[in-house]
Amino acid sequence: DQQVKQNSPSLSVQEGRISILNCDYTNSMFDYFLWYKKYPAEGPTFLISISSIKDKNEDGRFTVFLNKSAKHLSLHIVPSQPGDSAVYFCAASRGENKLIFGTGTLLAVQP
Amino acid sequence: KAGVTQTPRYLIKTRGQQVTLSCSPISGHRSVSWYQQTPGQGLQFLFEYFSETQRNKGNFPGRFSGRQFSNSRSEMNVSTLELGDSALYLCASSLLASGDNEQFFGPGTRLTVL
Repeated sequence: DQQVKQNSPSLSVQEGRISILNCDYTNSMFDYFLWYKKYPAEGPTFLISISSIKDKNEDGRFTVFLNKSAKHLSLHIVPSQPGDSAVYFCAASRGENKLIFGTGTLLAVQP
Repeated sequence: KAGVTQTPRYLIKTRGQQVTLSCSPISGHRSVSWYQQTPGQGLQFLFEYFSETQRNKGNFPGRFSGRQFSNSRSEMNVSTLELGDSALYLCASSLLASGDNEQFFGPGTRLTVL
């Protein structure tokens, strides 16, 4: 049972444009969501998080949107840079440090 | 502030052997979680320790175990290794046990079972 899903295995965008990565979840008990960036053979790097009491959180070029009624969150990267090319994972938790990860989306930012 | 460190970075073992991996969390962090990443199953939660107590456990067999020391350093052990245990093992530390805080990951230990 995949509780957190990232339906797009890959995404390609032009440098300077917006990257939008999507994530859906099925468990309405999740109350904290995180996005991580990962390179092969390295640990995930934390990007941004959002609590279920909010619907938006911004940090520099990164913005996360949460739509609880649709059980959907998205990560916006503006403007996209070639160094953003990596695999992006969304993760969710419910009141404990047990993260349920999505399957990841490979983002390629073309110069 | 130093990040999460994991040792060793790479390990090669044969079937039937056992292995111990080590993780040192960020200074001041008392929660340590372990995850396994494989191409087929993705990133999966193994267990979490907070103040030397296991608080959560994922859906892994009893061959996978762990512990945490009083200085918050943690070890995980896998006994009777199987080929399918080949994976990247990641450790993450966080300040709180409540879940509403960021988890910071180490670089991982790449385990290969032959």
